[in-house]
Amino acid sequence: QLQLQESGPGLVKPSETLSLTCTVSGGSISSSSYYWGWIRQPPGKGLEWIGSISYSGSTYYKPSLKSRVSISVDTSRNQFSLKLSSVTAADTAVYYCVRHFSSSSWFVFQRWGQGTLVTVSS
Amino acid sequence: DIQMTQSPSSLSASVGDRVTITCQASQDISNYLNWYQQKPGKAPKLLIYDASNLETGVPSRFSGSGSGTDFTFTISSLQPEDIATYYCQQYDNLPRITFGQGTRLEIK
Repeated sequence: QLQLQESGPGLVKPSETLSLTCTVSGGSISSSSYYWGWIRQPPGKGLEWIGSISYSGSTYYKPSLKSRVSISVDTSRNQFSLKLSSVTAADTAVYYCVRHFSSSSWFVFQRWGQGTLVTVSS
Repeated sequence: DIQMTQSPSSLSASVGDRVTITCQASQDISNYLNWYQQKPGKAPKLLIYDASNLETGVPSRFSGSGSGTDFTFTISSLQPEDIATYYCQQYDNLPRITFGQGTRLEIK
C-alpha cells in the first residue's frame, strides 16, 4: 500500500526558506506513470496546488508561486522535496504531498500524505 | 486563472437525504473536473475523477456528472460518515490548476 509522509520544520521565520520532504513507501518514485506534487491549505481555508515533478525531474509550478518554488526528486531515497523561499505569514499552511498520474487523468490527486503544519513566525 | 465556483458553501441535510453540490467553471474545462472529500483534521480523499468516474473503493452512493462549465456532485442517500467538506478541482488549464472554495456538509 503506497504511503506518503511529509517531514520538515514546523516553524519557519519570515523571509527564510521553507523546506519539506516527502518520503514514499510501498512503491517506487521512479515509475514513469506518476508525478509527485505538493498542495497546501492555510488554516480554515481551501486547497492550493503548488507544483509537481516527475521522477526524471520534469516540473510544473503554479505560476503565481513559480519565482519562489523549487521541487526536486531523489530517486535513490524514494523522496521528493519542496523549497519555498522568502516566506511570509501567508505561507502558513498544512502542506500535503500527493501522487498523480503522468498521462490521461493527469492532475487527479489520487494519493495524499497526512499533511504537516508549517507556521511562519518570528 | 479558471475560477471554480461551488454552491452552496455550506448545507445541512438529514441522514438518508439526497445531497447535491454544484461546481461552475468560469470557462469550458471539458470533463477535467475532480471531487474530493475532506474530513476534519484529515487529508482530502479523491472520490470522483474526470467528472463522473468513481474512484476505486468509493461507495456507489457518490456520483458526479457534467461537462463544459457545469458540474454536479451527488450523494444519493446521506450517511453520518459523509460529514465533511467537499472540493471540486479543475485541471484543464495546466499549470493553472484550481480548486473550488469548498462545501461544508453537516447533519441536520
